[in-house]
Formats: sequence, structure tokens, C-alpha cells
Amino acid sequence: GQNIDQPTEMTATEGAIVQINCTYQTSGFNGLFWYQQHAGEAPTFLSYNVLDGLEEKGRFSSFLSRSKGYSYLLLKELQMKDSASYLCAVKDSNYQLIWGAGTKLIIKP
Amino acid sequence: IAGITQAPTSQILAAGRRMTLRCTQDMRHNAMYWYRQDLGLGLRLIHYSNTAGTTGKGEVPDGYSVSRANTDDFPLTLASAVPSQTSVYFCASSGEGSGHNEQFFGPGTRLTVL
Repeated sequence: GQNIDQPTEMTATEGAIVQINCTYQTSGFNGLFWYQQHAGEAPTFLSYNVLDGLEEKGRFSSFLSRSKGYSYLLLKELQMKDSASYLCAVKDSNYQLIWGAGTKLIIKP
Repeated sequence: IAGITQAPTSQILAAGRRMTLRCTQDMRHNAMYWYRQDLGLGLRLIHYSNTAGTTGKGEVPDGYSVSRANTDDFPLTLASAVPSQTSVYFCASSGEGSGHNEQFFGPGTRLTVL
């Protein structure tokens, strides 16, 4: 079966750095996405990785290792507004997204 | 309209009733999707459409039907609602049926079936 695993919840301090991990087992791989979802709102796109390595976008970076079936999202200089759920999703061989359950990130002052 | 809209925002429905959730996008995206999101679970694909006139079944299609008469609209119908269909429903669209284009999501419909 297809499976995306990520921690259920993480807590971090304002101004700090946090790494959210995602491991996947899917039938085929056509890219990995990270989305942010604030409570009661729709998911919004953060990043996309299809090749191994690090993609940096301002305070957010995403890393992919296809051989290990592993990705992480790195958030630097955390702000209170970063409190949200972070969803990992993999595009499989049918080009459909398989979603993880999401990691709820709690930022404390 | 800017992006994707969904209607209604929320709905309480008696079991056995028929209900259509509406979704409209103005981005001229070819592909559209319906997901349900339940606590503790990832988004699960109900149905999708890669282009107007075609539809396909996702992971959890039972009890739901869709149509895609044109590029902009992708309604989701529950023929006879059951309590297990209580969920938050998101419509999404993307520029391509394949490839890496990200999906854009509507604001969601919160449906309660009693």
C-alpha cells in the first residue's frame, strides 16, 4: 500500500528553527509537495521537490532524498503566524497526490 | 471570482437527503479534484477530472458522483447522505493533469450529516 508518515504534532519556540520530517512509500514518484494549512482554512502550497537536494525559499527550505524515501521541511526564524499544520504529499505513478495526515506545529513565545 | 470558490460554506443535512456541493474556478485549469479531510487522516481523493468531459474515481468514491460539463465547474453530489460522510470537503484545481503544477484549493465546505 501507499503510505506517508509525518509526526502528529511538534512544538517550537518563536525565533527558533524546526524540522518537520516526512517518509513515504508510494507506487512511483513524481514529486513531493509541502503545504501549509491554518486551522479552519484551505491548504496552501509551500514547496515542491522532484530531485534530491535542498530547495530554499526565504525562511522555508525543503529537502528530498529519493533513495531513502525521505523529505523534511525546515522553518527558520519561527513566527507566531507559522502555527499551522504542515502537509506532506507525494505524486504517485498515476500523477495523483497521496497525502500525509499532517503535522500540527505549535509555536510558543 | 478569484481562484476557486465553493458553496455552501457549511451545511447540516439529514441522512438520506441528496446534496450537491458546488465548485467553480476561474483560472482555466484543466484538472480539478474533490477531497475530504477528516481529523487524524490525510486528505483523501474522492473524484478527479483531468479535463472537461472526463472524470475518474479516487481513493474513496463510494456514495459520491461528479460531472465536468465545462472547464470551470466541478460539482460533487451525494445521492443519499449518510453520517460517515460528515467531513470537510475541499475542491482543488491544477494547471495540468500530470506534471508538477501545484494544486490550488477552495475554502472548503463543512458538511454534517445527522
